[in-house]
Amino acid sequence: AQSVTQPDIHITVSEGASLELRCNYSYGATPYLFWYVQSPGQGLQLLLKYFSGDTLVQGIKGFEAEFKRSQSSFNLRKPSVHWSDAAEYFCAGDAGNNRKLIWGLGTSLAVNP
Amino acid sequence: DAEITQSPRHKITETGRQVTLACHQTWNHNNMFWYRQDLGHGLRLIHYSYGVQDTNKGEVSDGYSVSRSNTEDLPLTLESAASSQTSVYFCASRRGFTGELFFGEGSRLTVL
Repeated sequence: AQSVTQPDIHITVSEGASLELRCNYSYGATPYLFWYVQSPGQGLQLLLKYFSGDTLVQGIKGFEAEFKRSQSSFNLRKPSVHWSDAAEYFCAGDAGNNRKLIWGLGTSLAVNP
Repeated sequence: DAEITQSPRHKITETGRQVTLACHQTWNHNNMFWYRQDLGHGLRLIHYSYGVQDTNKGEVSDGYSVSRSNTEDLPLTLESAASSQTSVYFCASRRGFTGELFFGEGSRLTVL
């Protein structure tokens, strides 16, 4: 079955440190892949997306993600985390056949001053 | 600016009552979705619509219904609210099948 897995439920980093949030997918073909962020009490906002082409995609707020077919991964990275990055991060995939996104369970990011 | 709005943002109701959560988008998007978000379960799809008069069941549709009489609105109805439906509900829309999902700010429903 198609699935999106975020292995880390909660991550804490220090402000200024680098960040990598993991996302693994299980699809027969290359899916469309997305990262969304949810601040407390808010809806979700798109950070970046991968459809095809360049496997390194740039997003908003200084985030980037790399699609690695061999590892079935689409990890989110940021070189230097800011306190305002504390939020819930969701990875999602769309196989393109039924057009419904499949969501990971999210990773909660805390940022220490 | 175009937007997607949900109402009410907070609601407390009693078991057995009918509840309707409104969702209105001004992007003229064909595709609209209702999700519920619960700790440990992430986002789960309740119902979705690909256009006027089109509605489809998601993975957790029991006890919920939707109708799509125009492009802008997709109200979610709980016919007889149950405590298990206490949750935060999100409406989302997107233009086509591969575009960005735009989310409302959520409706927190408590069923006592």
